[in-house]
Amino acid sequence: AAGVIQSPRHLIKEKRETATLKCYPIPRHDTVYWYQQGPGQDPQFLISFYEKMQSDKGSIPDRFSAQQFSDYHSELNMSSLELGDSALYFCASSRNQGYGYTFGSGTRLTVV
Amino acid sequence: AQTVTQSQPEMSVQEAETVTLSCTYDTSENNYYLFWYKQPPSRQMILVIRQEAYKQQNATENRFSVNFQKAAKSFSLKISDSQLGDTAMYFCAFMDQETSGSRLTFGEGTQLTVNP
Repeated sequence: AAGVIQSPRHLIKEKRETATLKCYPIPRHDTVYWYQQGPGQDPQFLISFYEKMQSDKGSIPDRFSAQQFSDYHSELNMSSLELGDSALYFCASSRNQGYGYTFGSGTRLTVV
Repeated sequence: AQTVTQSQPEMSVQEAETVTLSCTYDTSENNYYLFWYKQPPSRQMILVIRQEAYKQQNATENRFSVNFQKAAKSFSLKISDSQLGDTAMYFCAFMDQETSGSRLTFGEGTQLTVNP
């Protein structure tokens, strides 16, 4: 079965640079979520989209933005990167939220 | 805001034995969902089991079962016949669609090690 696809798997950026993370949800899933997991921490909700419209917003810095496109893929754009942005970024998708999400494999971002 | 607490940062169990991971949560809502996710060393987040708050029957998925105590706001995970592949970080998670959309709030996690 198709899974949630994230790219790239690993990304190394320097401070103050910009990064773009991509997510391709499972076909016919109508909601996409982004989470950030710092080292040794639990995942923290960033933002979600339902049918290409932003549906919820969590602790996402103003330096970050996200959108969902007409083909349902989503991108998380991160500017003016800081060392503290180094983390594992998960994308997830769902069709019926009560059944839980399917997570992608994550993008590991390292800011140096 | 809802909170989820996992009071056991680390646990270990011998292969083939049973282990129970604890989770408590705080909410004023009546309808919600609870989940256990597993994160092995690969860092993939894998759904283990889910429970709907309005269902009194405890969920079961093969070797995994939960003890859901709604009044006590407790949601523990029991793993029977533990296998080496069960070694992972386990996160308890809460979803309340009425007040916080469909975002998941995670606990701090419990690192489970299954020893041969």
